[in-house]
Amino acid sequence: KAGVTQTPRYLIKTRGQQVTLSCSPISGHRSVSWYQQTPGQGLQFLFEYFSETQRNKGNFPGRFSGRQFSNSRSEMNVSTLELGDSALYLCASSLDSRENTIYFGEGSWLTVV
Amino acid sequence: QKEVEQDPGPLSVPEGAIVSLNCTYSNSAFQYFMWYRQYSRKGPELLMYTYSSGNKEDGRFTAQVDKSSKYISLFIRDSQPSDSATYLCASNTGTASKLTFGTGTRLQVTL
Repeated sequence: KAGVTQTPRYLIKTRGQQVTLSCSPISGHRSVSWYQQTPGQGLQFLFEYFSETQRNKGNFPGRFSGRQFSNSRSEMNVSTLELGDSALYLCASSLDSRENTIYFGEGSWLTVV
Repeated sequence: QKEVEQDPGPLSVPEGAIVSLNCTYSNSAFQYFMWYRQYSRKGPELLMYTYSSGNKEDGRFTAQVDKSSKYISLFIRDSQPSDSATYLCASNTGTASKLTFGTGTRLQVTL
């Protein structure tokens, strides 16, 4: 069974640009959540989508947004990139939002220069 | 103050040692407690999760939760070099995917 797949794995963007990251959950999983991981702050919850609806949101500015498609695949977008957005962005999936076993992908490494 | 505190380490132990990794938390609403292992440049991998106070064992790993003192522990018996990784504790209030993580403890098991 394929795991959570994230693309691209590595990318470099310039300050002020925007970026879109993609996540394909484990087959059959309907809940997708996104996390940001930085050396200083660790892993922080961004948001969660279930059945194409945002169910939960963390404490991030509106520049961070996401969406989920009918096939449960999800994208997150960061607009007007700042140097501090450089991080590992992790996607996780679970069967539903009540499931306590969530499975992470390998992440997308974003560097903002 | 972070809701979940974890000593960042690094923690270096010889092969075969018993490892004790610990976290404290401050949010009394936390209900579920997890341990994840993260190898360098990889995503976190779920090791164990528990709901109530007490112990849960899985192979060489034992997770322990003491809700009265808000203390979470992970014990690794017979540690192996392949256990060298960062270990993250996490908790949630019942919203499964909205986890609050500790900063992680880097463990190195030496030959």
